Order: sequence, then structure tokens, then C-alpha cells
Amino acid sequence: EPEVTQTPSHQVTQMGQEVILRCVPISNHLYFYWYRQILGQKVEFLVSFYNNEISEKSEIFDDQFSVERPDGSNFTLKIRSTKLEDSAMYFCASRARAIGTQYFGPGTRLLVL
Amino acid sequence: GQQLNQSPQSMFIQEGEDVSMNCTSSSIFNTWLWYKQDPGEGPVLLIALYKAGELTSNGRLTAQFGITRKDSFLNISASIPSDVGIYFCAGQQAITQGGSEKLVFGKGTKLTVNP
Repeated sequence: EPEVTQTPSHQVTQMGQEVILRCVPISNHLYFYWYRQILGQKVEFLVSFYNNEISEKSEIFDDQFSVERPDGSNFTLKIRSTKLEDSAMYFCASRARAIGTQYFGPGTRLLVL
Repeated sequence: GQQLNQSPQSMFIQEGEDVSMNCTSSSIFNTWLWYKQDPGEGPVLLIALYKAGELTSNGRLTAQFGITRKDSFLNISASIPSDVGIYFCAGQQAITQGGSEKLVFGKGTKLTVNP
């Protein structure tokens, strides 16, 4: 069964460093998302992406964040200058069509020291 | 903003017991989803509900989309130890009706099953 994959599974970085989290959505899906989950809390929406542009972003998704689909398969989330409070699990999700189910990847655990 | 109130926060049950959890909202959603999350992993879809009043089963799991479109429940029958985990409800509005495509998640119900 097709699934969303994410790399790396864990990332430790120093405050102020840039990180890039990578995702490979399910191959025929058109809508892509990033969510995050701070330890012990609920999953929160960051950004949605369709047709090579951001369709919606949350208040969390400030100027330090950016997303890109550099080729036909990868979808990346970049945090330009990480802060301690960026430590969280980051989940990528994808969906095939406008009304349908979002499927989540296994997540990248980001720890900012 | 939109919020989902999920209850209970946690449940401790004996193997074989039935479990019920629910989500309510002040906003209308056009899709309700139930996910399960194991520690250190991503949410895994259990059941998706697309129509108000819809009752859907997936094995021992049954979920319903409330008539008002503001609530949903999930039942697990005859629980087993591998049911342990955190269960999240999530709601989505229809893009075609001007809604956001993002999923809004509840805070989760942590289920512990004692063998």
C-alpha cells in the first residue's frame, strides 16, 4: 500500500541553524501539507500546498518557514533559523483530490538545542 | 479559531471492554476523521466520515458523523492490548464551500488497555 515517507526520522540541531525536512508524498496525490506536534500536545496545521504554491498557512508558519516541491516527488519544509520552540514532531501529509482523506507520514522528530 | 473538544482525555480499561470517545465543535465540519497514533509515529487513519448521520464500521471500530455536523463519536468494541494508543478526531471543512482544507485536530484520547 502506498505511503508517505519522511526523512530524517530524527534531527538534532543548534538554535539558529537551518534545517530541511523532507517528505515523499503518495505518488498520485496533488495536495500536500505540513503539520507539527509539540510533545504531548495535539497536531497543529502549518501549511498546505497545491499546484506549486501555498494555498493556506497558519500563524505558526512565519517568515522563518518555507516549503518547496523541487521535483515531482519531494516536498520539503525549511526552517531558516531554528528556535528552541521549534522542537516538535513534524508530519507531512498528502491527499489525492480536493475532497478526500489526508494520509500522514511517520514524522521527523526535531530537537533544537 | 476552530476547536475540537475531545473527551475523555484518557481511559483505563480492561481487555474485552467496549470504549467510546467523542468530539464536539462549535463549527460545522464536512468531513470527520479518526486517527490513531502510537508513540513516536504519525497518525494512522482509522475511519473517515463524509456525510452527516453516516455510521461507518472498520472491524471492531464504529464511528458516526453527527447530524448537526458538529460532532462525532468513535466506539471500539471488545478492546485488545494493541488498541493502546492515542486516538485523535479531526475535522475538515469543504474547500468548495469556502472552507479551509486544513485538518483541525482534537487533543486526543489516551487509551490504556489492561490485559
